[in-house]
Amino acid sequence: ILNVEQSPQSLHVQEGDSTNFTCSFPSSNFYALHWYRWETAKSPEALFVMTLNGDEKKKGRISATLNTKEGYSYLYIKGSQPEDSATYLCAPSNTGNQFYFGTGTSLTVIP
Amino acid sequence: NAGVMQNPRHLVRRRGQEARLRCSPVKGHSHVYWYRQLPEEGLKFMVYLQKENIIDESGMPKERFSAEFPKEGPSILRIQQVVRGDSAAYFCASSPPRALRSTIYFGEGSWLTVV
Repeated sequence: ILNVEQSPQSLHVQEGDSTNFTCSFPSSNFYALHWYRWETAKSPEALFVMTLNGDEKKKGRISATLNTKEGYSYLYIKGSQPEDSATYLCAPSNTGNQFYFGTGTSLTVIP
Repeated sequence: NAGVMQNPRHLVRRRGQEARLRCSPVKGHSHVYWYRQLPEEGLKFMVYLQKENIIDESGMPKERFSAEFPKEGPSILRIQQVVRGDSAAYFCASSPPRALRSTIYFGEGSWLTVV
């Protein structure tokens, strides 16, 4: 099982603030890095999948970067809105197609 | 959630009873994953299955827990002689075959309460 660390564990920001969180993972046997958004009482929803070192993906106000050599990914949210409140999970997958999730960063955006 | 169906959504069992949780993957997906979310914790990997095979069960407790994904029918996560500590949300996810870059799609979870 891969040891995946996400920080911070939780975050409270004001509406309009920009924020970012970190996902750290072992770089050996790495194949892809996945970000998911998980709202309470719902199922996790895929945001991004990235495979190449230096990859950057963007979806609206949310973007992510990947550094496979040092084993980390950043997720950025620009101009946070209350509807962005959720837990953000990252999961590296290896060449065996196994996904191991971090414990997530819980984001609360205060109106 | 792209069609992963889990049932039951909520299950209450007394200590010592058996719990069976079912997962029907997205049509055409042959890979199934089970995760457990304990209160105040994230998603913990339990087991990864392909049709008729267990690929990785390193996250599953050695005793009382078992999983299968038969050729026909849903994947089943079985918990025998449940204890209070088994109370959790159990999430199933599926992915297509040979799709290393594919995301996995989650069901809405099954909430097990042991009383």
